[in-house]
Amino acid sequence: GDQVEQSPSALSLHEGTGSALRCNFTTTMRAVQWFQQNSRGSLINLFYLASGTKENGRLKSTFNSKESYSTLHIRDAQLEDSGTYFCAAEAGGYKVVFGSGTRLLVSP
Amino acid sequence: SVLLYQKPNRDICQSGTSLKIQCVADSQVVSMFWYQQFQEQSLMLMATANEGSEATYESGFTKDKFPISRPNLTFSTLTVNNARPGDSSIYFCSSWDWGDAEQFFGPGTRLTVL
Repeated sequence: GDQVEQSPSALSLHEGTGSALRCNFTTTMRAVQWFQQNSRGSLINLFYLASGTKENGRLKSTFNSKESYSTLHIRDAQLEDSGTYFCAAEAGGYKVVFGSGTRLLVSP
Repeated sequence: SVLLYQKPNRDICQSGTSLKIQCVADSQVVSMFWYQQFQEQSLMLMATANEGSEATYESGFTKDKFPISRPNLTFSTLTVNNARPGDSSIYFCSSWDWGDAEQFFGPGTRLTVL
């Protein structure tokens, strides 16, 4: 079955606002990554977490391996943040399972 | 970090033909991975390719349909055999920089099968 459940599937934000994306895992995961896929289709690695919280600019991500979830918080959203965000969980070794993605649209 | 280049960046082919997608890394990497992404959908791991050994395929992907070569530590080729319209998608190669604990992706090859 699906090991990674990502929500919401779509999100609309006005510039300057913020929100959170979430991934729940149905099995124990070693680590999680978050990617942004831009309009050209390129995948940009935002975070890699084996545990805890990381912050980079307006983005913050948490991975709670015990409770099997990860979140990505976006604050002060900008137009260039629009795109599709994926979580990707590392089940073991190199095997990575992607979430279904969150399509984010930031409008003026 | 690892820079990955793919060629071609897009291709259009007729049903029944075969095509090759190349992936080149700017440094030696142990494993290369191939992913498939249908439009508006997530990425699916197709296979893992290590130098000098046969690729390991995930469920739903076979060596006959998607043969993969990995002749050295910087190069891999994915072939799509007997292409069908259902194979139309973006194909990404990927690798890891374990020093930075970061996964990198090539720019993708957008394939359209007519």
